[in-house]
Amino acid sequence: AQSVTQLGSHVSVSEGALVLLRCNYSSSVPPYLFWYVQYPNQGLQLLLKYTTGATLVKGINGFEAEFKKSETSFHLTKPSAHMSDAAEYFCAVTPWGAGSYQLTFGKGTKLSVIP
Amino acid sequence: DAGVTQSPTHLIKTRGQHVTLRCSPISGHKSVSWYQQVLGQGPQFIFQYYEKEERGRGNFPDRFSARQFPNYSSELNVNALLLGDSALYLCASSLRQGYQPQHFGDGTRLSIL
Repeated sequence: AQSVTQLGSHVSVSEGALVLLRCNYSSSVPPYLFWYVQYPNQGLQLLLKYTTGATLVKGINGFEAEFKKSETSFHLTKPSAHMSDAAEYFCAVTPWGAGSYQLTFGKGTKLSVIP
Repeated sequence: DAGVTQSPTHLIKTRGQHVTLRCSPISGHKSVSWYQQVLGQGPQFIFQYYEKEERGRGNFPDRFSARQFPNYSSELNVNALLLGDSALYLCASSLRQGYQPQHFGDGTRLSIL
């Protein structure tokens, strides 16, 4: 079974400051890991994914995340926040393998960007 | 190319009624999954369909059912609606079962009065 914990339901940063959104996962098998972003009244948009290979993953809009197996973490970062980054962010996990299908999501972190 | 499309965008029903939500996957995608997102929570997995067969079911009651058509579009049906069924229902498609990532539509907002 998989689970995802996102620390902090709400994070506020100043425009231009570092964004750090935390995600820890629990999985009995090697995981695939994802970050999705959700803007108001919209669906989920994939920011980045980790499947295999390089543990530092770059995504869209300047975001990146690092898979740390020893810490069971997949934290999302962006060096400089922009007003347009204000949204809700979800970390998700699914077990590695062809049979995987079910994404397990965290409860989300709402990011506010202060001008 | 068009993304995942869902209809309707909003729906209001009363307790006890039934509802049908529709989803068209991205062209070429054969797998469709349904998720329920209650306000303030992350999405929860309901079903996955691949090649018109149910391949996975989450922890939802039998009031929830779905099917996939030969053109790979899908319907989610919910019977005997309860107030707690009020949520955003998201459809996601992927090339095939187990293939990541899944691409999400904008969802159907269902309100139960």
